[in-house]
Amino acid sequence: GEDVEQSLFLSVREGDSSVINCTYTDSSSTYLYWYKQEPGAGLQLLTYIFSNMDMKQDQRLTVLLNKKDKHLSLRIADTQTGDSAIYFCAERDYGQNFVFGPGTRLSVLP
Amino acid sequence: ETGVTQTPRHLVMGMTNKKSLKCEQHLGHNAMYWYKQSAKKPLELMFVYNFKEQTENNSVPSRFSPECPNSSHLFLHLHTLQPEDSALYLCASSQGTGVTKNTEAFFGQGTRLTVV
Repeated sequence: GEDVEQSLFLSVREGDSSVINCTYTDSSSTYLYWYKQEPGAGLQLLTYIFSNMDMKQDQRLTVLLNKKDKHLSLRIADTQTGDSAIYFCAERDYGQNFVFGPGTRLSVLP
Repeated sequence: ETGVTQTPRHLVMGMTNKKSLKCEQHLGHNAMYWYKQSAKKPLELMFVYNFKEQTENNSVPSRFSPECPNSSHLFLHLHTLQPEDSALYLCASSQGTGVTKNTEAFFGQGTRLTVV
């Protein structure tokens, strides 16, 4: 079945760049998403990329997609303490289902 | 504020109780979802409704019973749960149509359920 994998933890210093990686198995994925979850809250959409694109930039966020390797990454420039959260990668297939990765817990150190 | 509201935010129930979780969206979306999030497992899709019809039941035990009376409301009825069912239950909605048009999922804040 479809599978989405992420590393579980990432620590960076405030002001540095964070790169969160994700791999997926479903070659029919149409859209890929990054969601952010803060403690006690639901998931908030950060950004998404269509499968025929290889890069998307939105302010401090840069998404890179390598469709051949089925690899997605999220780069957060100038990481701040408010960026500390769990980040979920998700893919959507030709149906309507969203398949989520396990989430990467980003810790930003002062 | 995502436009998806879940109530209650927190729920503690005994194993013999019956309770219901409610989800409401007024975004005009046609698809609604229940997810379970626990410390031990990543986000697990439980049920999907599209135009009020259930299109996915991800091998969920019958002690969880979903209901979708209209496209704006989704319920999860709970009956004789087990302590291992304690988790954060997240509702989401999406436009749910067209593979060439992005239809991201909007999530509610979740209901933190504790079964004692």
